Amino acid sequence: EAQVTQNPRYLITVTGKKLTVTCSQNMNHEYMSWYRQDPGLGLRQIYYSMNVEVTDKGDVPEGYKVSRKEKRNFPLILESPSPNQTSLYFCASRMTLLNIQYFGAGTRLSVL
Amino acid sequence: QKEVEQNSGPLSVPEGAIASLNCTYSDRGSQSFFWYRQYSGKSPELIMFIYSNGDKEDGRFTAQLNKASQYVSLLIRDSQPSDSATYLCAVNGNNDMRFGAGTRLTVKP
Repeated sequence: EAQVTQNPRYLITVTGKKLTVTCSQNMNHEYMSWYRQDPGLGLRQIYYSMNVEVTDKGDVPEGYKVSRKEKRNFPLILESPSPNQTSLYFCASRMTLLNIQYFGAGTRLSVL
Repeated sequence: QKEVEQNSGPLSVPEGAIASLNCTYSDRGSQSFFWYRQYSGKSPELIMFIYSNGDKEDGRFTAQLNKASQYVSLLIRDSQPSDSATYLCAVNGNNDMRFGAGTRLTVKP
């Protein structure tokens, strides 16, 4: 089954404790991205990657890091989480030509 | 700043009616346009995409695109209570995809 898999689905952590949210896709898509979703603000792009070893900032990259060492994986790293990073996070992937984007199930993060 | 604007709603329609959802975008270079449905706490699910001016129909859904007016809409015919969700408009430019904040639709039985 074609899918984008995120882990964990739920995470509660404390300020400053490094965490990683994993994302994996099995559709051989070149393009992957991370979004955060907050009430009233919609989906905002954090980082995206056009292909392996190619990443770029989206609209709200501050406080986040990403890497793309393999085509299927695109982890999101919070080196020192803060309460304003409490949000619902989505990973997505798509084929570059078709632009049809598929989303993971989401990760709900709470930073205390 | 490239913007995608939607009325936040809530939009309430009776069962069986037509729901009309609207979206405007600011980037004239935008090439493809999408409508996603999102149930509360769930991930967005693609329901329609459109690339060319005019109408595109898929079952009860019709997407309409007017590039000159920078306007894209979604019509849902014979609305059902199961259509109650937030509908996100998304616009794709060169490398990024931008989303509106979404319109919350409620279909009342």
